[in-house]
Parts: sequence; structure tokens; C-alpha cells
Amino acid sequence: SQKIEQNSEALNIQEGKTATLTCNYTNYSPAYLQWYRQDPGRGPVFLLLIRENEKEKRKERLKVTFDTTLKQSLFHITASQPADSATYLCAPTMFSGGYNKLIFGAGTRLAVHP
Amino acid sequence: EAQVTQNPRYLITVTGKKLTVTCSQNMNHEYMSWYRQDPGLGLRQIYYSMNVEVTDKGDVPEGYKVSRKEKRNFPLILESPSPNQTSLYFCASSLGRLSHEQYFGPGTRLTVT
Repeated sequence: SQKIEQNSEALNIQEGKTATLTCNYTNYSPAYLQWYRQDPGRGPVFLLLIRENEKEKRKERLKVTFDTTLKQSLFHITASQPADSATYLCAPTMFSGGYNKLIFGAGTRLAVHP
Repeated sequence: EAQVTQNPRYLITVTGKKLTVTCSQNMNHEYMSWYRQDPGLGLRQIYYSMNVEVTDKGDVPEGYKVSRKEKRNFPLILESPSPNQTSLYFCASSLGRLSHEQYFGPGTRLTVT
């Protein structure tokens, strides 16, 4: 069955360092992969999308890589700030049943300490 | 302000008492979806709708119903709630069925005793 793995343990880092979150998937081949941010008590918010033919995508302090051979995406936040503390969800996306279907990982909680 | 709204935000109910969670979006989006989020399991899709009067089952549809009579509204109905439906529910919308970015509502925390 399709499976998505994100680090279940929280990632604790010091302010100013680079945070790296991992998303591994098995048993399917998504054409896209999205990352969302979720704050406590709120709905997920879209951050970035990367296509299968793109190796890397950047947006301000965020960088995402997508390795379809390894079936893995890495999400980096450079110069991290306490305000970056949140849970980050990866969502490989594939075309299924006539629409783009997202399958979400359970998320990794990031805590950035001053 | 472009947004997806859900009501109620919190609900405690008893087994078997029918309830409806409303969802509305003001972005003229065609595609809408319901998810439930449980610890360690991630968001799982319950039902989705590609347009008015077009709905289909997601991955965990058992015990739920939906309707899409108007483009902006997509209510989730639990005809006979059970304790295993205790969860955090999110409604989401996107421009169309081929769009990627989904806009989520604030969530509804449901407890069934």
C-alpha cells in the first residue's frame, strides 16, 4: 500500500541554523510533491510545490528537493527563526480518478529555540 | 478576505445523534474536499467534490455523507456518529480538480461519547 514517512519525533534546532525535514514515500510515483505548514489549532497552509522533473525549488528561506529515484523529498528552512516553529506536512500528489489527489504524511514538528 | 469557513469549531455529541458540519468558501472554487486528521495518521480524505452535484468517496468514507447543492457550500453529515469518528476535521478547496494548492478551513474538533 502507499505509504509516506516523515520523522515522527520533533526536530529541535537553534535559531539561525538550517532545519532539514525528510519525506519518504513508497509504492507510488507522484507527479508533484507539496509541502504545507500547520500551526496548532489551525488548518494546513500551502508553502511550496515541486514537480517530478524539478530537482530543487526555492522560495525565500525555503528550499525543497525531490528525488524520484530515492523516492524522497527534503525540506530546508535556512536561517531559522522561532516563528518557523510549526508542524510541516508533505503531500505527494498524483492524478487519480480525474483529479489531483494529495496524500498527506503525518508531519514533523519543528521547534526553533532562541 | 478569501477563506474557507467551518462551523462549529468544537462539538461534543453522543453516539447516534445526527450532526452536520458546515463548510463554505468564498473563492468560487470548483473543487472541495473533507479530511480527518488523527494523531500519527496524517490527513485522510473522506469525500471530495469536483463541482456542484458531483461528489465521490475518498479513502475513509464509511459513516459519512456529503452534498454539494451550491458551489460555495460542502456540508459533512454524520447520520449516526460513533466514538471512532472522534477526530479533527478539515474542509479544503482548490480552484479546480487539476489545481494543486488546497486552501484549508480552521478545523472542527469533534468528540463522540
